[in-house]
This record gives sequence, structure tokens and C-alpha cells, in this order.
Amino acid sequence: QKEVEQNSGPLSVPEGAIASLNCTYSDRGSQSFFWYRQYSGKSPELIMSIYSNGDKEDGRFTAQLNKASQYVSLLIRDSQPSDSATYLCAGSNSGNTPLVFGKGTRLSVIA
Amino acid sequence: GAGVSQTPSNKVTEKGKYVELRCDPISGHTALYWYRQSLGQGPEFLIYFQGTGAADDSGLPNDRFFAVRPEGSVSTLKIQRTERGDSAVYLCASSAGQFSEQYFGPGTRLTVT
Repeated sequence: QKEVEQNSGPLSVPEGAIASLNCTYSDRGSQSFFWYRQYSGKSPELIMSIYSNGDKEDGRFTAQLNKASQYVSLLIRDSQPSDSATYLCAGSNSGNTPLVFGKGTRLSVIA
Repeated sequence: GAGVSQTPSNKVTEKGKYVELRCDPISGHTALYWYRQSLGQGPEFLIYFQGTGAADDSGLPNDRFFAVRPEGSVSTLKIQRTERGDSAVYLCASSAGQFSEQYFGPGTRLTVT
């Protein structure tokens, strides 16, 4: 059974701080990893993808992947109240294959 | 360009009825996925199309669920004899290329009364 685990939160951080979201996965065959942001009542929005070990930065977001530890994380720098949402971690095997999602971590950025 | 679209946005039906949910993927995306999301959970995979054929339907919960994509673009998810447990948000996603970046539509909220 392929599983992706996330702490459900809520994770509360003050405005301007760094938010750190973590995810572990069980399937060593997983090659591609994704972070989606989901506002309440809306559908998931892709914010980061990462395929190789190390860090990948895009604006205020940094994704980190450690395949040996089967661990993925997302850092959000200079957190804003508009970042308050549920963050979903997902993994897949290479190519066009279905995503396995975690349950999501709810982030609350306090102004 | 236009994103993934889904219709209807909301569907309320009575237990035992038949429903169809439609997904129109991003133009040119060959892969199309259906997921189902219940409150407090992540999306759960149902079925995946590559072109016109179902490449993986292992997530369909039972034979009341069926999906088609006859021309390799628009897809329809069909649910027969609906049950209250089918109530959820049904999400469609599409992707192109090697690395499975999937883009989701707005979803259809299905409520079975």
C-alpha cells in the first residue's frame, strides 16, 4: 500500500516567519513529488514539483527531497496571511501515473 | 490559456439515481485523471486515461463507477445507483509530458440524499 503521511496540523506561524511543512512516503519507487495548496472550498493548486534529491527554490517556496530518508518538505519564507490554506503533499512513479496524496497540513499564518 | 473545466459544479441527486460528471482537460494534455476527495482527506485516485483508453482503473471503488474518454479529450465519469457514501468532491486533472505535473479542475460537489 503506497502511503504519504503528513501532520494534519493546524500549523500556526506569525506573519513574516518561515513555515515548514513535512511529508514522508512509503513507496521507494516514487520518483516525483508535488506540493499543492488548497484553499477552503477550492481545488488543489500546484505550487512546487521536485524530482531529484536536494533543494528547489521558487520565489518564497523551497521544496526539499531526501529519497534515502523518504522525506519531502516545503518551506515558505516570509509567510503571509494569504498563505493560510491546506498544503497537500503527493508522490508518483515516473511518467504520467496517478498521484498518491497525503491528507494535507492546515497552515494558519497569523497577522 | 484555459484550465481544466468540470461540469456541473454541484450536483444533488437522490439515492439510487444515475449521474454523469464531465471533465474538459487542458488543450493538448493527453493524460486525464479522476480523483475523489472527502472532507479532511487528500484526493483519492479513481481512474486515469492516456488518450482514449483507461490506463489504470484500479481506484474505482466498485462496478457502479465507470468512465469514458471516447475522443481522447473530454471525459465523463458515470455513477450508477448512487449511494450516500458516494457524496464527495470529484476532481479531474490533466497532464502532459514526462513528469506528471497534474493540473486540477474546480471539481464537482456531488451530494446524494
